[in-house]
Amino acid sequence: DAKTTQPPSMDCAEGRAANLPCNHSTISGNEYVYWYRQIHSQGPQYIIHGLKNNETNEMASLIITEDRKSSTLILPHATLRDTAVYYCIVREASGGGADGLTFGKGTHLIIQP
Amino acid sequence: GAVVSQHPSWVICKSGTSVKIECRSLDFQATTMFWYRQFPKQSLMLMATSNEGSKATYEQGVEKDKFLINHASLTLSTLTVTSAHPEDSSFYICSAIGLAGFIEQFFGPGTRLTVL
Repeated sequence: DAKTTQPPSMDCAEGRAANLPCNHSTISGNEYVYWYRQIHSQGPQYIIHGLKNNETNEMASLIITEDRKSSTLILPHATLRDTAVYYCIVREASGGGADGLTFGKGTHLIIQP
Repeated sequence: GAVVSQHPSWVICKSGTSVKIECRSLDFQATTMFWYRQFPKQSLMLMATSNEGSKATYEQGVEKDKFLINHASLTLSTLTVTSAHPEDSSFYICSAIGLAGFIEQFFGPGTRLTVL
């Protein structure tokens, strides 16, 4: 079973910031938080990952609470192409991890024009 | 970024036939490849882990004799659905990780299998 809980769906206006929450209250000390997204009928796409510090890349920002029990993925300026299912996944240490991913149900983010 | 391709992108076959799906890492060597299955409106489910030159490891409930996996080189893994039936119709997706530990898995675009 997935170790994360996400809302099933969210709407966001185009051009606004989309904030996607994820609860992972049973996360252990060596587990990272990863975010992927899946646009309809395509393979998942890696977005970002983090351990305990906030992270930012060209796609998104990841805010992890101090107790690491929850996190938020932020898409700063959502576009229609960001409509997708977003998956929050916890897994053990990055690099060399040769385990398949356990996908939960994710959040279906719909960007409204 | 690293690119993973799948072929074919979609296939329709008759019940009882076998179908082979290829997964290739185009610009990196993949020590490990994974196969997932996704039914409509459901999430991805891991089917098996494939390591180059060794037998695949199947998840519980996945029949190894029905879903044959071969990882003959560091850039190619194949999934053969043998004696396919309509209930095998699904979206099959592979992913790959490279040497020296990539931080993420790279996913292929998926293969839509429809069994009539």
